[in-house]
Amino acid sequence: DTEVTQTPKHLVMGMTNKKSLKCEQHMGHRAMYWYKQKAKKPPELMFVYSYEKLSINESVPSRFSPECPNSSLLNLHLHALQPEDSALYLCASSPLFRFGGTDTQYFGPGTRLTVL
Amino acid sequence: GNSVTQMEGPVTLSEEAFLTINCTYTATGYPSLFWYVQYPGEGLQLLLKATKADDKGSNKGFEATYRKETTSFHLEKGSVQVSDSAVYFCALRVVLVDTNAGKSTFGDGTTLTVKP
Repeated sequence: DTEVTQTPKHLVMGMTNKKSLKCEQHMGHRAMYWYKQKAKKPPELMFVYSYEKLSINESVPSRFSPECPNSSLLNLHLHALQPEDSALYLCASSPLFRFGGTDTQYFGPGTRLTVL
Repeated sequence: GNSVTQMEGPVTLSEEAFLTINCTYTATGYPSLFWYVQYPGEGLQLLLKATKADDKGSNKGFEATYRKETTSFHLEKGSVQVSDSAVYFCALRVVLVDTNAGKSTFGDGTTLTVKP
């Protein structure tokens, strides 16, 4: 099974709302990622978690707050977003690298976020 | 830094035509190379991968060969179908030595439309 699930599929929120995106994988992967994708563009990396610890924050504004409560779950908490934050938010997971191996990354279906 | 350059789109073909989407890369070290496909409204699906020079990845009639001498990973399919219409992303992946997680660099994507 190479499935990464994300909920909700669609989310509409106002600029004063607080909401959360959820991501789950059961492949035993110890690296998890959040990406933002605007229309007709490639995914942009936001955060990387390794062993449930934040290892990369690509200078993402503090209105996005990631959380990794355990090795299977990844959340993205949203607060006071701007209309320009409207995008497809993709979660991904991968094994951690072992010499001679590969760390293939698997993506979820995404959450389509609209900020009004 | 690392970079991926993809053939500019959009590409429009008739059903059963031969497909080539060019991809070249610049990277330090020894990256793994991937092709992902994204259908409208969906996340990225892994299409194929290659982890070292001269490896050929293949899946669903698509093929790509890791060419170190030309730093290329061109995607090919002998006979496309209408259902192959999608956006195709070429990506390279390197290991972050301090975390053992990977970091992907994506090309800009190539939109393929196949007409009956």
